[in-house]
Amino acid sequence: NAGVTQTPKFQVLKTGQSMTLQCAQDMNHNSMYWYRQDPGMGLRLIYYSASEGTTDKGEVPNGYNVSRLNKREFSLRLESAAPSQTSVYFCASSEIGVLAKNIQYFGAGTRLSVL
Amino acid sequence: QKEVEQDPGPLSVPEGAIVSLNCTYSNSAFQYFMWYRQYSRKGPELLMYTYSSGNKEDGRFTAQVDKSSKYISLFIRDSQPSDSATYLCATPSQAGTALIFGKGTTLSVSS
Repeated sequence: NAGVTQTPKFQVLKTGQSMTLQCAQDMNHNSMYWYRQDPGMGLRLIYYSASEGTTDKGEVPNGYNVSRLNKREFSLRLESAAPSQTSVYFCASSEIGVLAKNIQYFGAGTRLSVL
Repeated sequence: QKEVEQDPGPLSVPEGAIVSLNCTYSNSAFQYFMWYRQYSRKGPELLMYTYSSGNKEDGRFTAQVDKSSKYISLFIRDSQPSDSATYLCATPSQAGTALIFGKGTTLSVSS
């Protein structure tokens, strides 16, 4: 089982460049999430998609956009990268609902450096 | 006050020690609690989850919730070097649409 797959694994950008981080899951989950993880800050939610066709802002959405392409895929776009966006980005997916408990399954992460 | 607080450590113990990792939370409406383990340069993976109060045991790991004091704990018995990782506690948000994570405690077990 592949689970949650993120591409690329590493990326270096110059300030002002744009890029899209890709995420795909094969667990038939309805909900998908993008987090960033920084030293001392823990995991912070950027955007989430509770179901296909919907997206909502999380704790730190500024400077990012997302697209829920279909049930499997959820992409994160940086339109004009800034050094403050240097971080490790994780995608996750889950089933939510009374019985599902929102247990999230994570990808391996994308390490992004913005110079 | 953050909704979930966790001491970041680091915590260093010798092999075979009993480890106690702890979190506090502020919202008494939280019902499910999870522990994730994250190895260096990897994504978090679910270790255990518990519902409401009480203990749940899985091999060398025990998760404990004390709702009266809003305190959750993860105990590791007979710790091994392979347990060296960052441990994150989490709980679903009240709306149920996201997880709220603690900042994680980094554990190092030396042989």
